[in-house]
Amino acid sequence: EIVLTQSPGTLSLSPGERATLSCRASQSVSNSQLAWYQQKPGQAPRLLIYGASTRATGIPDRISGSGSGTDFTLTISRLEPEDFAVYYCQQYGTSHSFGQGTKLEIK
Amino acid sequence: QVQLQESGPGLAKPSETLSLTCTVSGYSINNAYYWGWIRQPPGKGLEWIGSIYHSGSTQYNPSLKSRVTISGDMSKNHFSLKLSSVTAADTAVYYCARGFRDRSGFYPNIFDIWGQGTLVTVSS
Repeated sequence: EIVLTQSPGTLSLSPGERATLSCRASQSVSNSQLAWYQQKPGQAPRLLIYGASTRATGIPDRISGSGSGTDFTLTISRLEPEDFAVYYCQQYGTSHSFGQGTKLEIK
Repeated sequence: QVQLQESGPGLAKPSETLSLTCTVSGYSINNAYYWGWIRQPPGKGLEWIGSIYHSGSTQYNPSLKSRVTISGDMSKNHFSLKLSSVTAADTAVYYCARGFRDRSGFYPNIFDIWGQGTLVTVSS
């Protein structure tokens, strides 16, 4: 099983700042089949990124994904108030697994 | 516009079977896509339970496979989850969702459209 480790556990930033979230896999993720989700309290997750770097429908271009192999990054270039949430990475190349999440909170 | 809605009892007794249904509107589930179940214990992360393809084939999380059955009722445009021998560790918000599709094909365990989720508590 591929274990995904997200860091940091909590990230405290202000609106307008840049956020960089990390997802590290215990072994290489096949075909860069890595996704990112955003989840707000009381809501279902929302797919943001698939294939490591492709934005899902309706996702603004201030949100981007990058990486390959074992190291992946989600970047939000200029934080808006609605971006403060929990973010999960998920690999779907070899079976599946989720990371434990990063909470992005307002500083 | 595709929408999914979970329904079922919010309480299950230990050792019994948890049963939930996901009703899909705006799309016929026998046309295409995987349709899946994911759960999230309170305050914790996400866990994929399993998915059913429009053809009726299923894929399950190996850690839950011995207790899970997912089935579809095309006439009612819904699919269902049964989880047997539940314990307190199965207390969670249960989501149904549509499996993702890209140019490479259909995926059983990445999801782009989700229901709102339903909390199931396992307690005597």
